[in-house]
Amino acid sequence: AQRVTQPEKLLSVFKGAPVELKCNYSYSGSPELFWYVQYSRQRLQLLLRHISRESIKGFTADLNKGETSFHLKKPFAQEEDSAMYYCALSGQGGKLIFGQGTELSVKP
Amino acid sequence: DAGVTQSPTHLIKTRGQHVTLRCSPISGHKSVSWYQQVLGQGPQFIFQYYEKEERGRGNFPDRFSARQFPNYSSELNVNALLLGDSALYLCASSLLGPYEQYFGPGTRLTVT
Repeated sequence: AQRVTQPEKLLSVFKGAPVELKCNYSYSGSPELFWYVQYSRQRLQLLLRHISRESIKGFTADLNKGETSFHLKKPFAQEEDSAMYYCALSGQGGKLIFGQGTELSVKP
Repeated sequence: DAGVTQSPTHLIKTRGQHVTLRCSPISGHKSVSWYQQVLGQGPQFIFQYYEKEERGRGNFPDRFSARQFPNYSSELNVNALLLGDSALYLCASSLLGPYEQYFGPGTRLTVT
């Protein structure tokens, strides 16, 4: 079964602290994985995808096929990082399979 | 370019009614996907269309249908509405398939 699991519904950290949003997936084959972000009152937007290996807004994510994980990390959280974060998997038939999302709250 | 646009923004319907939601993709994008997002959950895939043909379908009943027009805009239709159909309906467009999907603001459907 194709599935994405984000175990934390809410993650609260202080400004300047490291952040790690967890994502585990279940997929047979080579997965295509993404992180999407939704800031307050804005539409869902792509943050990064694993094949591009980019760092966007200081965030990085490494695909670990052994642990079937794609955790999102940032060394120093900023208040403007507060948002809903969704991990997604590109599955069969061209669909995106989303996790339930993690709300990140960065306190001053 | 205004990005992906959806109409209407909000909609209130009664159980048993029918609803049509509309989506205009980014200019040049030929693929449109529809997702349902229930409060507190991630988006769930409903349909994907590419070049006016259905290329993927999620686990939704036949009450849900969609189509894509020659200008690549799309409609999502839901018949015999149930209370459980209340959700935010998202449309996303891309050049091809699931890659670099760009989302619209969504249509908030409330079924009473």
